[in-house]
Amino acid sequence: EAGVAQSPRYKIIEKRQSVAFWCNPISGHATLYWYQQILGQGPKLLIQFQNNGVVDDSQLPKDRFSAERLKGVDSTLKIQPAKLEDSAVYLCASSPTLYEQYFGPGTRLTVT
Amino acid sequence: DAKTTQPNSMESNEEEPVHLPCNHSTISGTDYIHWYRQLPSQGPEYVIHGLTSNVNNRMASLAIAEDRKSSTLILHRATLRDAAVYYCLGGGFQKLVFGTGTRLLVSP
Repeated sequence: EAGVAQSPRYKIIEKRQSVAFWCNPISGHATLYWYQQILGQGPKLLIQFQNNGVVDDSQLPKDRFSAERLKGVDSTLKIQPAKLEDSAVYLCASSPTLYEQYFGPGTRLTVT
Repeated sequence: DAKTTQPNSMESNEEEPVHLPCNHSTISGTDYIHWYRQLPSQGPEYVIHGLTSNVNNRMASLAIAEDRKSSTLILHRATLRDAAVYYCLGGGFQKLVFGTGTRLLVSP
């Protein structure tokens, strides 16, 4: 079974630029999550989708972050404009709902 | 979601058992106890979960205290590949709140 795919794996941008991350969940998984993991900390949930609807985006900084899940499958997370404190690993996870979450390898973002 | 407390780091020798403790004194009666681990440069990986009874799978065992205020993840024979950050979480499957976890160091 293929795992959660994420791209790119690494991204370096300057502050105030925009960036987008892509996630392809495990086939058939209805629930998709985006997490932010700052160095030395555990992952923090940004947004949760159930199919293509948002279930929880309470910790998403909506003034600069946006996310969508097209047709209930792939998802993109965008940051515009980026700040230095957005430097982190962005993790995508999926689950077949009410079961364990499967995480992708993450995208390491460096904002200079 | 239950707040969990774990030691910052633990050390073990290869092929020895490892007991990773977790305190979750505020856990509710319906909250599951989940364990995930994160190997270097990878996303977290599910290890095991339980509610009340002890649980075993191919990766580890989970021993849950009778009052459910604490639990222990048991790796029966540590290998170098088990070196990772281990997270203990309390709550439902969909709202995982990660702390800083326990960094497990395994020496040959």
